[in-house]
Amino acid sequence: NFMLTQPHSVSESPGKTVTISCTRSSGSIASNYVQWYQQRPGSSPTTVIYEDNQRPSGVPDRFSGSIDSSSNSASLTISGLKTEDEADYYCQSYDSSNLVFGGGTKLTVL
Amino acid sequence: QVQLQESGPGLVKPSQTLSLTCTVSGGSISSGSYYWSWIRQPAGKGLEWIGRIYTSGSTNYNPSLKSRVTISVDTSKNQFSLKLSSVTAADTAVYYCAREEGYSYRFDYWGQGTLVTVSS
Repeated sequence: NFMLTQPHSVSESPGKTVTISCTRSSGSIASNYVQWYQQRPGSSPTTVIYEDNQRPSGVPDRFSGSIDSSSNSASLTISGLKTEDEADYYCQSYDSSNLVFGGGTKLTVL
Repeated sequence: QVQLQESGPGLVKPSQTLSLTCTVSGGSISSGSYYWSWIRQPAGKGLEWIGRIYTSGSTNYNPSLKSRVTISVDTSKNQFSLKLSSVTAADTAVYYCAREEGYSYRFDYWGQGTLVTVSS
């Protein structure tokens, strides 16, 4: 089994750019796709990035994803922050039929 | 548009078995290369994948819950179900059902979630 580690919280001002990291404990981050989900209070998660760097239709291009093999981590970058981006964000990947979520990062836009 | 809806008791006594059903509408549970998963989230905490089932009936479970979990599918009713045995207060959570794409392993459709409380 492996773990995905995210920072507990990040904060940034409207209009700025924020990056949330997701570090895989064992196995290569590049070996299996990484997804990112946004969850607002009281709602089910929704996908903002899938297959490492793909955006579902309807997700603004302010959201982008990347993989860094050197740090064995994935990153979600949100540019031009808006107050509506304030939410919890979870990374997710898999290995050998076992699916794993990161612990989640609370993004505060202040 | 695919929709998923969880149903089942909102209160379960300790040591008993939690049982939930997810009804899928807007598409056949048997079509396409999809897995059907259960995920839970304790209040104020993160998401935990419980397990999944393919329409063939093959299953995969989270190793930490494997000994207590059974997921089954009823294609005639377009439903899949979760049973979690020997529950404790630690199993109190919002339980979600979700559809998982077989290629990318991403969850593309989620139910609204149902709160299950374990208490006597």
